Amino acid sequence: EAGVTQSPTHLIKTRGQQATLRCSPISGHTSVYWYQQALGLGLQFLLWYDEGEERNRGNFPPRFSGRQFPNYSSELNVNALELEDSALYLCASSLISGGHTDTQYFGPGTRLTVL
Amino acid sequence: DQQVKQNSPSLSVQEGRISILNCDYTNSMFDYFLWYKKYPAEGPTFLISISSIKDKNEDGRFTVFLNKSAKHLSLHIVPSQPGDSAVYFCAASGFSGGYNKLIFGAGTRLAVHP
Repeated sequence: EAGVTQSPTHLIKTRGQQATLRCSPISGHTSVYWYQQALGLGLQFLLWYDEGEERNRGNFPPRFSGRQFPNYSSELNVNALELEDSALYLCASSLISGGHTDTQYFGPGTRLTVL
Repeated sequence: DQQVKQNSPSLSVQEGRISILNCDYTNSMFDYFLWYKKYPAEGPTFLISISSIKDKNEDGRFTVFLNKSAKHLSLHIVPSQPGDSAVYFCAASGFSGGYNKLIFGAGTRLAVHP
């Protein structure tokens, strides 16, 4: 069974541009999560989508946005890129059991570099 | 404000010995805790979790201990193997933030040497 996939692996942009990152969840998973891992820091929660709806959002400015498509894949868009947006962006997916915390399975990440 | 802290950036252990990785949290509303392992160029992999109604959970060589009064948890790996060399992240969640919103620590790099 294929795991979570992300594209591209690396992305280089200049300040002020827009970046689009893509994620395909594990087959059967309806929830997708986005995290940012800046250098030397832990993963910071960005967004959670389930069944096409945004369910929760981390403490990030509105220029970080995303969406989830009917096939449950997801896009993360970062507008007006700033140098400090350079980071590893990780996508995860899970089932939603309706119970407590659902195990999240992570993709390999997209390394975004803003010059 | 770091709600989940892993104060040791690195740990070196000899093969066959015990590895103990520590994690502290500040938010008393957290009631579910997880450990993830990350190899270079790969995404984090779920290792083990514990609910706040328990103080210990075991899975093979991995045991997680939770001390709620101290807001502290630890991951024990016995015996440690070279393949355990990776970065280990502690994560927490709770009702107030949303159960599926994981708050991660900065990670501890474990090196297991022969």
